Amino acid sequence: GEDVEQSLFLSVREGDSSVINCTYTDSSSTYLYWYKQEPGAGLQLLTYIFSNMDMKQDQRLTVLLNKKDKHLSLRIADTQTGDSAIYFCAENSGNTPLVFGKGTRLSVIA
Amino acid sequence: DTAVSQTPKYLVTQMGNDKSIKCEQNLGHDTMYWYKQDSKKFLKIMFSYNNKELIINETVPNRFSPKSPDKAHLNLHINSLELGDSAVYFCASSHLRDSPRGTQYFGPGTRLTVL
Repeated sequence: GEDVEQSLFLSVREGDSSVINCTYTDSSSTYLYWYKQEPGAGLQLLTYIFSNMDMKQDQRLTVLLNKKDKHLSLRIADTQTGDSAIYFCAENSGNTPLVFGKGTRLSVIA
Repeated sequence: DTAVSQTPKYLVTQMGNDKSIKCEQNLGHDTMYWYKQDSKKFLKIMFSYNNKELIINETVPNRFSPKSPDKAHLNLHINSLELGDSAVYFCASSHLRDSPRGTQYFGPGTRLTVL
């Protein structure tokens, strides 16, 4: 079945850039997503990228997709303490359900 | 304005009991989901309903029964609760006309603890 892998932890200093990485196995993935989960809350869609794109930028967020290597990354510029959360990579194609990675816990040190 | 709401937020119960979790969305969406998030934060889909009809039913024990009285509600009933059912359960919703299809709105979660 499909699999989405992420590293579990990342720690950065406030003001630095954070890069969260994700790999996936399903070559038919149409869309790839980044969701954010703050403590005690549900998931919130941050951004997504279509599989025929290489890059998408949205304010402090930059998503890079290497379809050949099935590698997705999320870069957060000027990371703030409010960015501390768990970030989930997810993928789907067509009407298939979302498949989530196990999440990367980002800790921002002031 | 709450988009996707769940009740209760916390649920503590004994093994063997039957319990329900309710979910409501006021977004006009036609598809609703239940996810289970275990203690390691691993998130997995359990069920999906579109226009009150079951469209996804992952490998979930039949002690779990979703019920959708209308498009705005998807409740989850769990019979004979077991220790392994302890988790956070998230409801989510989306609309088939939205692109991409993975754009889902999540509720705040219900933390279920089975003693």
